[in-house]
Amino acid sequence: GAVVSQHPSWVICKSGTSVKIECRSLDFQATTMFWYRQFPKQSLMLMATSNEGSKATYEQGVEKDKFLINHASLTLSTLTVTSAHPEDSSFYICSARDRTGITHGYTFGSGTRLTVV
Amino acid sequence: AQSVTQPDIHITVSEGASLELRCNYSYGATPYLFWYVQSPGQGLQLLLKYFSGDTLVQGIKGFEAEFKRSQSSFNLRKPSVHWSDAAEYFCAVAHSGNTPLVFGKGTRLSVIA
Repeated sequence: GAVVSQHPSWVICKSGTSVKIECRSLDFQATTMFWYRQFPKQSLMLMATSNEGSKATYEQGVEKDKFLINHASLTLSTLTVTSAHPEDSSFYICSARDRTGITHGYTFGSGTRLTVV
Repeated sequence: AQSVTQPDIHITVSEGASLELRCNYSYGATPYLFWYVQSPGQGLQLLLKYFSGDTLVQGIKGFEAEFKRSQSSFNLRKPSVHWSDAAEYFCAVAHSGNTPLVFGKGTRLSVIA
């Protein structure tokens, strides 16, 4: 089945630094990647949608200059949290979709636990 | 706008008992429907999905779900729960294969001996 690899699994960083999270589709071409954020004991909130080779589309309330998304290839998307602050601490999950969205559906990475100290 | 309602925040069942997790959606047409399971600190695993066709969908780990258009529901069921099923369950919908998933708030399942 379709596999999406996300790393790191967890990261601790100092306030003011930047953190990059990678999401790779291992056995299919991910034409679209979705980035979600999940607070403890809450549901997943969509942050942005990225299509390969295009600029990401951000959801209302998500700062595009703070959460930089790059989807330069059909197998890799990255989320960079810039100038991280403690309130950015959260669980970030990516999801990849192939061209049709039907063959593989929406495949999720294993998530990244970000802690900003 | 689409929305997904999972009315039960937390459900506790005895091991071996049957399970039904409720999911209702709000959308004009028939959306794509999904159920995912999440263990603590982990990503999401797809249990099953419905796009069209037979309204009773079989998934992994012995789960099934039934799409009922008249009730705008897509309830998840399992005839006999195992302790390893304890986790968070999310129902999700998409307008089509091109749009992002919208998630319900989740139902936490606890299994007792």
